[in-house]
Amino acid sequence: AQTVTQSQPEMSVQEAETVTLSCTYDTSENNYYLFWYKQPPSRQMILVIRQEAYKQQNATENRFSVNFQKAAKSFSLKISDSQLGDTAMYFCAFGPDSNYQLIWGAGTKLIIKP
Amino acid sequence: SQTIHQWPATLVQPVGSPLSLECTVEGTSNPNLYWYRQAAGRGLQLLFYSVGIGQISSEVPQNLSASRPQDRQFILSSKKLLLSDSGFYLCAWDAGDNYGYTFGSGTRLTVV
Repeated sequence: AQTVTQSQPEMSVQEAETVTLSCTYDTSENNYYLFWYKQPPSRQMILVIRQEAYKQQNATENRFSVNFQKAAKSFSLKISDSQLGDTAMYFCAFGPDSNYQLIWGAGTKLIIKP
Repeated sequence: SQTIHQWPATLVQPVGSPLSLECTVEGTSNPNLYWYRQAAGRGLQLLFYSVGIGQISSEVPQNLSASRPQDRQFILSSKKLLLSDSGFYLCAWDAGDNYGYTFGSGTRLTVV
């Protein structure tokens, strides 16, 4: 069975610091997609970044970047120059190419302190 | 552009009362539609998904049901609510193109 594991239930950093959230997954598929979603206190789920497994280049979106290690089945999210508005739950999700249903991690609560 | 609307935002219902949550998508056709539930501070639990009108798949046996009467409309229902149905309900859609889901703003349901 495919699973997604986020081993950090909660993290906190000071504003302007860099923070890395970890995510590992288990699959036997070769083609798939990985996502990071952000859920701020408003509880609106927002797509942060997407990675295609067949692309070796790590995805970046402004201050957000990923470290995708396919062999290790690892997909971590790095947030640079963290801001108070980054305070949220962050969910990692795995999407197999054969099936459009996403498999979700349990989430990491990130707190940015002023 | 595509948008997703979910309502109501907040709902307080007595035990044993019926439930109807509605979700509609605009700006696309034949979307995949999803209903999720989220307990406070917890992850997402997939309840139902639909790949077309009248096609509903249930992931978790429970007191809830879903229907898709129109292409872009997805309804979550219950005939008699239980206390355990309390939670945050999220509707989502995607185009089946592996670009991820777009979520509605959610409904906070409290059963009292």
